[in-house]
Amino acid sequence: DIHMTQSPSTLPAYVGDRVTITCRASQSILTYLAWYQQKPGKAPKLLIYEATTLESGVPSRFSGSGSGTDFTLTISSLQPDDFATYYCQQYDTYSTFGQGTKVEIK
Amino acid sequence: QVQLQESGPGLVQPSETLSLTCSVSGGSIMSYYWSWIRQPPGKGLEWIGSIFDDGTARYHSSFKGRVTLSVDTSKNQFSLRMNSVTAADTAVYFCARHPMRDAYFDVWGQGTLVAVSS
Repeated sequence: DIHMTQSPSTLPAYVGDRVTITCRASQSILTYLAWYQQKPGKAPKLLIYEATTLESGVPSRFSGSGSGTDFTLTISSLQPDDFATYYCQQYDTYSTFGQGTKVEIK
Repeated sequence: QVQLQESGPGLVQPSETLSLTCSVSGGSIMSYYWSWIRQPPGKGLEWIGSIFDDGTARYHSSFKGRVTLSVDTSKNQFSLRMNSVTAADTAVYFCARHPMRDAYFDVWGQGTLVAVSS
């Protein structure tokens, strides 16, 4: 099984901050990586797929980069609605999620 | 737009079978892949398995032999059965759509909490 490791687990930040979350795969997954945002009591929402492709309707302040084993999700200017938990997901072989990164108010 | 709705018992006895159904509305179940994903309280997401409209199913290694997925194209529904449940299976169960066999999940149900307890 492919294991996904996210860091950090918790990310305190201010509105307006540039925020970066990292996801590392235990083996190469090319660009078969997605990012999701989840708020309490809600289903995850797809933000980015194929490592860099923004899902329709997702604000352009979200961006993704990386290939192989190392990936990042960047929020260029954190907005109040962005405080949530973020998950990466590999879909190179079956599907595995990272453990999540909670972006919280500093 | 396509919407997914999970349904099933919210409480299951230990050692019994958990059964959930996902109803697809606003679109056809045909030509897409459909998955079940769960999230234990306060924890992360875990993919359980997926199924195509022809009934071909794939399962996470952790669940093989304990989980069965099925699809009913006439009802635009797919289902999950998990046997021999324990308290560790207590979780919110989500159904989701993906455009290819191994892919990202672009449409999700709201999730349903299933507690395993006597």
